[in-house]
Amino acid sequence: AQSVTQLGSHVSVSEGALVLLRCNYSSSVPPYLFWYVQYPNQGLQLLLKYTTGATLVKGINGFEAEFKKSETSFHLTKPSAHMSDAAEYFCAVTDAGGTSYGKLTFGQGTILTVHP
Amino acid sequence: DAGVTQSPTHLIKTRGQQVTLRCSPISGHKSVSWYQQVLGQGPQFIFQYYEKEERGRGNFPDRFSARQFPNYSSELNVNALLLGDSALYLCASSPAGHFTGELFFGEGSRLTVL
Repeated sequence: AQSVTQLGSHVSVSEGALVLLRCNYSSSVPPYLFWYVQYPNQGLQLLLKYTTGATLVKGINGFEAEFKKSETSFHLTKPSAHMSDAAEYFCAVTDAGGTSYGKLTFGQGTILTVHP
Repeated sequence: DAGVTQSPTHLIKTRGQQVTLRCSPISGHKSVSWYQQVLGQGPQFIFQYYEKEERGRGNFPDRFSARQFPNYSSELNVNALLLGDSALYLCASSPAGHFTGELFFGEGSRLTVL
């Protein structure tokens, strides 16, 4: 079984400040890891993903995340927050064997608020 | 290009009724997945269909069923609605049979059960 824990249901930062959203996962098999973003009244959009290779992955809108196997973590960061980053962010995991057939296991989500 | 489209966008039902939600995947995508997102929680996997066959099922009761049509569109049916079925139902499509995790989501159908 797989699970995802996002630490902090709400994170508030000032515009221009560092964004750090925390994600820890549990998986008995090598994982694929993802961050999705959901803007109000919209579906989810992929920000970035880790499958194999480089553990530091870069995504859209200046976000990046680092896969740390020893810490079972995949934290999302952005050096400088922008007002447009305000949204809900979901960390997700699936198994790397590709047998999960469309099943992602999502965390509870973190709402990011950006103050001017 | 059109993204994943879902209908209806909003609907209200009463307990015990049945509902059908529809999804059209991105052109060329053969896999469709359904997720339930209860307010304040992350999406929960319900079903995945690929080439018209059910390939995965989440921990949902038999009141939930789905199917995929030859044009790869899909329907999700929920019978005997309960108050707890109130949620945003998300459809997602992906192009390949070997799942790499990238899903393309629609904007969802928001179901309210009274």
